Amino acid sequence: DAKTTQPPSMDCAEGRAANLPCNHSTISGNEYVYWYRQIHSQGPQYIIHGLKNNETNEMASLIITEDRKSSTLILPHATLRDTAVYYCIGYTGNQFYFGTGTSLTVIP
Amino acid sequence: EAGVAQSPRYKIIEKRQSVAFWCNPISGHATLYWYQQILGQGPKLLIQFQNNGVVDDSQLPKDRFSAERLKGVDSTLKIQPAKLEDSAVYLCASSLWGMETQYFGPGTRLLVL
Repeated sequence: DAKTTQPPSMDCAEGRAANLPCNHSTISGNEYVYWYRQIHSQGPQYIIHGLKNNETNEMASLIITEDRKSSTLILPHATLRDTAVYYCIGYTGNQFYFGTGTSLTVIP
Repeated sequence: EAGVAQSPRYKIIEKRQSVAFWCNPISGHATLYWYQQILGQGPKLLIQFQNNGVVDDSQLPKDRFSAERLKGVDSTLKIQPAKLEDSAVYLCASSLWGMETQYFGPGTRLLVL
């Protein structure tokens, strides 16, 4: 398995940037890093993915280190609706491996 | 664009009974996935279809779980007989082809008593 390691929980003040780290040291050179989040009682929601360059979309930014062994998901202005479990996905072959994720709580 | 549909949303059964879940993927998506998510854990892939063929079912407990996607669109996942440890959320996802972005349905929450 391509193991990913994430802190189990984090807090962030509303309106501040949330920076969620992930270690994925076994990811292969041509495999993407994906981030999903799961709000309580819903299915996982796609956020962003990248290979080796930094990526940004309307939801978040993804910073991948040059050696590709870790990445950081940045939610630039966290809102209460961003409270969720965030998964950094590593995979081997053609399978997604979800870890236990980071439970982010946005505090008013 | 309609998302991935799943039914039922909730199901309660007794152990040794059978149960079936249904999934309708996003229109045009060739790849369909079934995941099992036990409380407090991330989703675990059970089976992956490409059109109506199985790509990967290595983590499907085949003695009790079965899945089909006969016409390459809808899919059903069946458990027979159910065990207590099958209590989980069963998620269906689809993607255009292979490992592009997967889009998940809301899941079916199963409780086995």
